Amino acid sequence: AQKVTQAQTEISVVEKEDVTLDCVYETRDTTYYLFWYKQPPSGELVFLIRRNSFDEQNEISGRYSWNFQKSTSSFNFTITASQVVDSAVYFCALSAPHTGKLIFGQGTTLQVKP
Amino acid sequence: DGGITQSPKYLFRKEGQNVTLSCEQNLNHDAMYWYRQDPGQGLRLIYYSQIVNDFQKGDIAEGYSVSREKKESFPLTVTSAQKNPTAFYLCASSPGFGTSETETQYFGPGTRLLVL
Repeated sequence: AQKVTQAQTEISVVEKEDVTLDCVYETRDTTYYLFWYKQPPSGELVFLIRRNSFDEQNEISGRYSWNFQKSTSSFNFTITASQVVDSAVYFCALSAPHTGKLIFGQGTTLQVKP
Repeated sequence: DGGITQSPKYLFRKEGQNVTLSCEQNLNHDAMYWYRQDPGQGLRLIYYSQIVNDFQKGDIAEGYSVSREKKESFPLTVTSAQKNPTAFYLCASSPGFGTSETETQYFGPGTRLLVL
């Protein structure tokens, strides 16, 4: 069975600190996709990043970066120099291709204080 | 502007009543999805549709029904059989299937359903 675990329920940082959100997943599929979404107080989920299971290259996009490690089944997400506008709930999600199903973690609430 | 619209923003249901949540997209996406989110929880898949006139049950389909008569529209009906319907309902769409890009789901603003 597929499962996504976000062990951090809430994180509080001061503006300009770097923060890493952890995500651990379980799947028996050899091909799968991983995603991070942001849910601000308005409620709409905003797509942030995605990664294929066969591409372990880690990347940086602006203040966002991610660390995908198949050996530990982890897909961690880092925000550099956090800002108050980054305050939101962040969800990690796993999908098996061609199923249409996204399996979400419980979410991590990030609070960035000025 | 291309995007996904959901209406209404808030919906109140009386006991024993069926209510329908609207979801429309003008992104020309083939696939559409309905999720339910309870407070402090992640999202759970209710139904999804890969193509017009076809849809599949998700993990929590009981008490819900859908239709997909048009590519742009995927309405969700919460029936009286759903005993605990109070939740935040999110609709999503994706271009299609085959790659991580085409399977990336984009979400609407959501509908909050409350039971009177």
